[in-house]
Amino acid sequence: QKEVEQNSGPLSVPEGAIASLNCTYSDRGSQSFFWYRQYSGKSPELIMFIYSNGDKEDGRFTAQLNKASQYVSLLIRDSQPSDSATYLCAVSTYNTDKLIFGTGTRLQVFP
Amino acid sequence: GAVVSQHPSWVICKSGTSVKIECRSLDFQATTMFWYRQFPKQSLMLMATSNEGSKATYEQGVEKDKFLINHASLTLSTLTVTSAHPEDSSFYICSAGEVPYEQYFGPGTRLTVT
Repeated sequence: QKEVEQNSGPLSVPEGAIASLNCTYSDRGSQSFFWYRQYSGKSPELIMFIYSNGDKEDGRFTAQLNKASQYVSLLIRDSQPSDSATYLCAVSTYNTDKLIFGTGTRLQVFP
Repeated sequence: GAVVSQHPSWVICKSGTSVKIECRSLDFQATTMFWYRQFPKQSLMLMATSNEGSKATYEQGVEKDKFLINHASLTLSTLTVTSAHPEDSSFYICSAGEVPYEQYFGPGTRLTVT
């Protein structure tokens, strides 16, 4: 079992819709969770991080964390074609010195 | 957010030569930096953790003698690809930040070995 799992996609949504990206992790000791966006040929950029159970909103983005079920999700409201990218989920624990990345989900937003 | 720079952004070198890539944290000090490699259409692969003032920690399967890492100051880490070969051609990305908190990525260096 991979430590951090994501559906590779592509996830296709129409412009204006809500895109829902999911990530599961195996280490129950995980305590920090991150979503990065990566455009083709570019390096990842941080979108959001979440440390506590529940929802965290930032503009059109909402991160949701459920530690009991070991999943973290990212919702993108009012999706735009410019949101088309690969979204990487990353997890860390206080006992490790590195982030564990999922393989990413490719999102396609069509006009 | 914090800014991390990399230099060069792209480099072409001949097989057998060495290439040095710099990673700098511009507006914060980073005791820890990370080096990743990414092949086309694949995810990030962590190569090593660079620690200021001490030896780097390499991931399993990464050749220490081929990928030399030096973290000489709190704002600079370098990755040297020694005796580069075409299979080393890849996108090399560094990041900085204190785990378990957020990491900030540099823009990446695209290496092509001919």
